Amino acid sequence: QQQVKQSPQSLIVQKGGISIINCAYENTAFDYFPWYQQFPGKGPALLIAIRPDVSEKKEGRFTISFNKSAKQFSLHIMDSQPGDSATYFCAASSGAGSYQLTFGKGTKLSVIP
Amino acid sequence: GAGVSQSPSNKVTEKGKDVELRCDPISGHTALYWYRQSLGQGLEFLIYFQGNSAPDKSGLPSDRFSAERTGGSVSTLTIQRTQQEDSAVYLCASSPRRGDQPQHFGDGTRLSIL
Repeated sequence: QQQVKQSPQSLIVQKGGISIINCAYENTAFDYFPWYQQFPGKGPALLIAIRPDVSEKKEGRFTISFNKSAKQFSLHIMDSQPGDSATYFCAASSGAGSYQLTFGKGTKLSVIP
Repeated sequence: GAGVSQSPSNKVTEKGKDVELRCDPISGHTALYWYRQSLGQGLEFLIYFQGNSAPDKSGLPSDRFSAERTGGSVSTLTIQRTQQEDSAVYLCASSPRRGDQPQHFGDGTRLSIL
């Protein structure tokens, strides 16, 4: 059972455009929703994260939108740059047990000049 | 300070051999996680250590997989009698203590089983 579904699998965006990646979750106990960025040969690095008490969080060009009733959250990258080309993973964890992260399958973003 | 350190960065071994993967978490971090990333897949939780508490082994895929954490710091993930489906990137993450986010990841060990 896949608890976090991520789409699309791949995304091609023109430089300066907006990249949008979506995730949906099933477990209502999840209370922490991070996005990780991964470059080839490197480990994932936290990009931005949100908790369900807010509907939106913005950090620079990156924004998370969160819809608790729909159990969905999304990442928006404004003014996308070639350096943003990477694989992006959404994840979720609950405030119980081991706090392990449950990941989506990733979105490979390519920003073309 | 230094980030999470994993070694080796790459490991190639023959089917049936045992392998050991090492993780050195960020100094002072008491929570340590192992994840597996298979080609085209997201990260899959394997095991969690918190201080001196019993580990959460609920994500280990089979009894061929085991892990230990000595002295509350360095951790070793051992895979016995490796199979081709064990080929993946094994990632370690740490956080200051139980429940703290975010988790900080190492660059992983890429394991290839021939």
